[in-house]
Amino acid sequence: QVQLQQWGAGLLKTSETLSLTCAVYGGSFRGYYWNWIRQPPGEGLEWIGEINHSGSTNYNPSLESRVGISVDTSKNQFSLKLRSVTAADTAVYYCAGSGASGFFDYWGQGTLVTVSS
Amino acid sequence: DIQMTQSPSSLSASVGDRVTITCRASQSISRYLNWYQQKPGITPKLLIFAASSLQSGVPSRFSGSGSGTDFTLTISSLQPEDFATYYCQQSYSSPWTFGQGTKVDIK
Repeated sequence: QVQLQQWGAGLLKTSETLSLTCAVYGGSFRGYYWNWIRQPPGEGLEWIGEINHSGSTNYNPSLESRVGISVDTSKNQFSLKLRSVTAADTAVYYCAGSGASGFFDYWGQGTLVTVSS
Repeated sequence: DIQMTQSPSSLSASVGDRVTITCRASQSISRYLNWYQQKPGITPKLLIFAASSLQSGVPSRFSGSGSGTDFTLTISSLQPEDFATYYCQQSYSSPWTFGQGTKVDIK
């Protein structure tokens, strides 16, 4: 059974860089796409981007200019960086795994990231 | 981007009720439509993928239907643990997008 565990800084100041990492335990790291999804307080879900084991990425155009996702296959981990954050980036950030059909069947526990001035 | 619109945004229902939630895509997405359940403070949980396939471990009272642009999630007999927010998500074309959610609460 695949399990995802994520971590990273939960409090940032405006203009700083958000940095989160997600570790994948069990299952096949190679067989999935590894995603980041966020949810502002009281709002819906927004897909940020994905990466596969070979490092091929795909980003949401709405965030593409500020986002970077990387992978470390030696540790079965992938990471998110979001530059120049503002209060609008305050959200719970989830890592998630998806297969070729694009549904998210494995999720991390979520990390609340708060951006303050 | 493909816009996903759910209706209603919220509904009140009683235990035992039949509940139907609708999701409409801004263009045809074939059957690339997935449904999630989220309870407050909890990670979303996949219920249905490919419009009508039940995820392993999900009770059979949940069902999905539709294709093209119009989809439905049905709960045949609402149980106390089903009070939650439900989201649809399209996996036809990147960027993958979600509906705004439908909150199901107790009448």
